[in-house]
Amino acid sequence: SQTIHQWPATLVQPVGSPLSLECTVEGTSNPNLYWYRQAAGRGLQLLFYSVGIGQISSEVPQNLSASRPQDRQFILSSKKLLLSDSGFYLCAWSVSWGRDQPQHFGDGTRLSIL
Amino acid sequence: SQQGEEDPQALSIQEGENATMNCSYKTSINNLQWYRQNSGRGLVHLILIRSNEREKHSGRLRVTLDTSKKSSSLLITASRAADTASYFCATYQGGSEKLVFGKGTKLTVNP
Repeated sequence: SQTIHQWPATLVQPVGSPLSLECTVEGTSNPNLYWYRQAAGRGLQLLFYSVGIGQISSEVPQNLSASRPQDRQFILSSKKLLLSDSGFYLCAWSVSWGRDQPQHFGDGTRLSIL
Repeated sequence: SQQGEEDPQALSIQEGENATMNCSYKTSINNLQWYRQNSGRGLVHLILIRSNEREKHSGRLRVTLDTSKKSSSLLITASRAADTASYFCATYQGGSEKLVFGKGTKLTVNP
C-alpha cells in the first residue's frame, strides 16, 4: 500500500532563517506531488506541484521554492523566512494519470515564525 | 481562484442527527471530491462523484451532484462525535492537474 511521510510535524523558526520541509511517498511510482499551505480556519492554497523529477510548477509568487530530486521526494525550501510564512503545510500525492483520482495527504507540518 | 464554496461555514449538531453540507462551484467539472480534515491533521479523501453521476453512497455518507445548478451536497447520517471535523469539496480547475478546494464546513457533533 502507498504511504506518505512528511516531517517535521512542528517547527518553530526565527524570521530570516532558512527552511527545509521534506515529503516522501512509498509504494507508488511517478506520482504527482503537491505542496499546500493552510492558514488557520481557511482552505488550502496550492503552492507547488510536480508531475515528474525536476519538473516544478509554482502557483503563488513568494519566497518559497520546491524541488523534486527523486521520483518520490518533494522538498519545500526557503532561504529567508517571513512572518507571513507561518501556517500549516501539507504535502500530497496522486497517481500520475487521469484526473479522476483523489489526492492523498500527509499529516502536515505546523510552521511558526517568531 | 476559489472553485468550490462550502455552506454553511460551521455546523453544530447532536449525536444521532444528520448533517448536510453544500458545495457550489463555478466552472464545468469532470468530477467533484469531498475530503475530511480532523483538527491538526492532513485531509482524507471521502468520496468522488463523477459529472455523469447524480448520487453516490459510502457507508453513512451520501453525496449528490446537480451539474445544472453547479452544486453538490454531502449528507452524513446518524452522526457520531467522531465525525467532528472540517469537510471540504474540491474540483479540478480547467484542464490542469490543480485540485481546487473550498474553505470548508466545520462540523461539530456534540455527544
